[in-house]
Amino acid sequence: GENVEQHPSTLSVQEGDSAVIKCTYSDSASNYFPWYKQELGKGPQLIIDIRSNVGEKKDQRIAVTLNKTAKHFSLHITETQPEDSAVYFCASGYGNNRLAFGKGNQVVVIP
Amino acid sequence: GAVVSQHPSWVICKSGTSVKIECRSLDFQATTMFWYRQFPKQSLMLMATSNEGSKATYEQGVEKDKFLINHASLTLSTLTVTSAHPEDSSFYICSAQGLAGKYEQYFGPGTRLTVT
Repeated sequence: GENVEQHPSTLSVQEGDSAVIKCTYSDSASNYFPWYKQELGKGPQLIIDIRSNVGEKKDQRIAVTLNKTAKHFSLHITETQPEDSAVYFCASGYGNNRLAFGKGNQVVVIP
Repeated sequence: GAVVSQHPSWVICKSGTSVKIECRSLDFQATTMFWYRQFPKQSLMLMATSNEGSKATYEQGVEKDKFLINHASLTLSTLTVTSAHPEDSSFYICSAQGLAGKYEQYFGPGTRLTVT
């Protein structure tokens, strides 16, 4: 099955700086890569996703880049704010309709 | 759009009793719903996949007789934890998927179950 690895496990950034989280996946047939943000005690929220026919996608302060050759994709958050502090999960679509999740990354934005 | 609700948001029950958790897609029809379990500071663990009108598909190691899943309509799936024990205490999260093969999953807010 699909294996998704996420690094680093914890990331602390100063408010206003950028944060980058990288994920790698194993199944070259995968073609859907979402990112979820989970705040404490809440369900994951889909914040951005990308399909394998594009290399980059932006939505305001967040962007996702995809490198299919290297089988990795990254989440970029610019001008970080305290409300960006959360756990971020990457995932890869595989099989008919499933998602394989990374272990999550705790992002802490220091005011 | 793509709002998923769960009820209850938290529940405390005694060992041996059963608990039902509801998952509803509020503004779209969910052909497939997924049930996950999440332990503190860990990732999401898929328990089962359910399609409207058919039996759920359980992941390896998940007891189907203990975690009963019903997907009676395109907007509602339920998870019943039967004969609950303290080790069943966890955060249970559902997700809903609109179109088969599209991959996008929208998650509910989760249900915190505590078994005493």
